Amino acid sequence: EAQVTQNPRYLITVTGKKLTVTCSQNMNHEYMSWYRQDPGLGLRQIYYSMNVEVTDKGDVPEGYKVSRKEKRNFPLILESPSPNQTSLYFCASSPPPGGLKLFFGEGSRLTVL
Amino acid sequence: AQKVTQAQTEISVVEKEDVTLDCVYETRDTTYYLFWYKQPPSGELVFLIRRNSFDEQNEISGRYSWNFQKSTSSFNFTITASQVVDSAVYFCALSEARTGTYKYIFGTGTRLKVLA
Repeated sequence: EAQVTQNPRYLITVTGKKLTVTCSQNMNHEYMSWYRQDPGLGLRQIYYSMNVEVTDKGDVPEGYKVSRKEKRNFPLILESPSPNQTSLYFCASSPPPGGLKLFFGEGSRLTVL
Repeated sequence: AQKVTQAQTEISVVEKEDVTLDCVYETRDTTYYLFWYKQPPSGELVFLIRRNSFDEQNEISGRYSWNFQKSTSSFNFTITASQVVDSAVYFCALSEARTGTYKYIFGTGTRLKVLA
């Protein structure tokens, strides 16, 4: 089944404890991206990647890192999480060209205490 | 700068009513894409439609229709004869393609409640 898989789906952590949210797609898509969803703010793009080793900042990249070493994986790294990063996170991928039809993962709900 | 405005935070309608969700965008680019995504209560996000800036033709898909007007920078979404299953949050989004990369800007979403 074609899908975008995120892990973990739910996580409660504490301030400063590094964490990684994994994202994997099995559709051979080149474009992948991360978003956070917050009440009243909609979806905001954190980072996107046009292809392996090519990443760029979205609107809210502060406090996040990404890497794209393989086409199928695009992990989101929070080096030192803070409470304002408590949010619902979505990973998405898209067939070429670029991000013209996003397929989303199921979301990862992160709480930072 | 890019911006997408969905001024309607929440709309409630009774089943079978028609409803229009508004989307107004701002961009300095001449080449861009507009999108609508649906987020039902189960939480997943589903692609509904994409239009590019050079194609102002309206589109109809079953009970759904979209009206793209560059003159007013709007990309409105109409559901005809709404059903309870249409209850969801709907997001409008903009992606500029000037540099060949696809940075997305989403609106804040409109929550549609269709009452039986």
